[in-house]
Formats: sequence, structure tokens, C-alpha cells
Amino acid sequence: EAAVTQSPRNKVAVTGGKVTLSCNQTNNHNNMYWYRQDTGHGLRLIHYSYGAGSTEKGDIPDGYKASRPSQENFSLILELATPSQTSVYFCASGDQGNTEVFFGKGTRLTVV
Amino acid sequence: QQQVRQSPQSLTVWEGETAILNCSYEDSTFDYFPWYWQFPRESPALLIAIRPVSNKKEDGRFTIFFNKREKKLSLHITDSQPGDSATYFCAASAGTGGYKVVFGSGTRLLVSP
Repeated sequence: EAAVTQSPRNKVAVTGGKVTLSCNQTNNHNNMYWYRQDTGHGLRLIHYSYGAGSTEKGDIPDGYKASRPSQENFSLILELATPSQTSVYFCASGDQGNTEVFFGKGTRLTVV
Repeated sequence: QQQVRQSPQSLTVWEGETAILNCSYEDSTFDYFPWYWQFPRESPALLIAIRPVSNKKEDGRFTIFFNKREKKLSLHITDSQPGDSATYFCAASAGTGGYKVVFGSGTRLLVSP
């Protein structure tokens, strides 16, 4: 069964601090994605990756960086966290044809 | 700009009725349109999907109708059940070499018994 694991599941960060959200997939999928979900906005794409070493900007990349050091791992980095980045973040992976995207359980981030 | 638009934002139907959820898109290169559903406190999961070579895709009580010329599609849920109450996302992607998958803002469906 497709598996995408996110850590941590919950995080409280202080404004101006650095936050790293981690994602691991055991699906051997080339494509990985980071989304944030906010009421009224649905799922908005932050960054995505086609494979190890690649990162691409999504629709709302400002304030976020991404890192794909291996096929299995894809991290989202907030160098200077702000309260506006309080949200639920989902990592996902998809196969070459993007016929299905599998989501992790989400990370609830609160920036105070 | 929003590449995938959904309406209505929320919808309430009675048990047994047909719920109709709408979606439109702008990018003509999109060639795969999945619908995902999400229950409270859970992750989105694939429900049904269609490619533009077809104008209809059916899976049990769930049917996608697709109009390529107008860049519109809709999800029809017949004989709606309370267990269908969820948020439904229309999504779109393109290419076989890996491409970003974009989602609409979702329709929150409530089926009242």
C-alpha cells in the first residue's frame, strides 16, 4: 500500500524561527508535492519535485524552500516563520503519469 | 490566479437526492482530471478520475461529465447518502513526465438524512 509519512504531525513555532517539515514516501514515486490547506482556499501547491535533486516552485512558493535529497525524502523549510504560515501542510507523492496522488496525514503548524 | 475553479463552495442535499458539483479550468494542456474527497480530520483520497478522450466516467453512484470545448466538468452523486458528506476537490494535471497537480478550492457537501 502506498505510504507517505510526515513528521512532525503537530508543530508550534515562534515567529522568526526556522521550521522544517519532513516527508518520506515508500512508493518509489518520482513526483512529490507540498500543499497547504486553509479554509476557503482548498489545497494550494507550494513546491514540487520530479526526482532526487530537483525542486520546482508551485503556485505559492514565497516564504518557503524545498529540498529533495533522495527519491524517498522531500522537506519543506520555512527559514523565517510568520503567523500567516499557520496552516495544515500536506505532503504527497505521485507516479510518472500522475494517475493518483497519495497524501500523508498532514502536519498542523501554528506560528505564534 | 486560480487554474481550477469549483462551485458551489458548499452544498446541502437530502438523502436520496442527486448532488451536482461543478468544476472549470483554464489550461488546455491539462489532460487528467481526478476528483478527491476528504473527510474531517483525514487526508484527501482519490475518488474518481477522467481523461479528455471521454466525456463521461461512471463508478457506481459517482459520475463525471466532461465538456472539453467549454473546459468544464461536473461530478454527479446519485442517491446521495449521509456517508457521502465530505469536501470534494476537483484537480487537474498534465503530461506523463511528471507535472504539478493543481486543486480547486473544494465543495463541502452535506447530505442530510
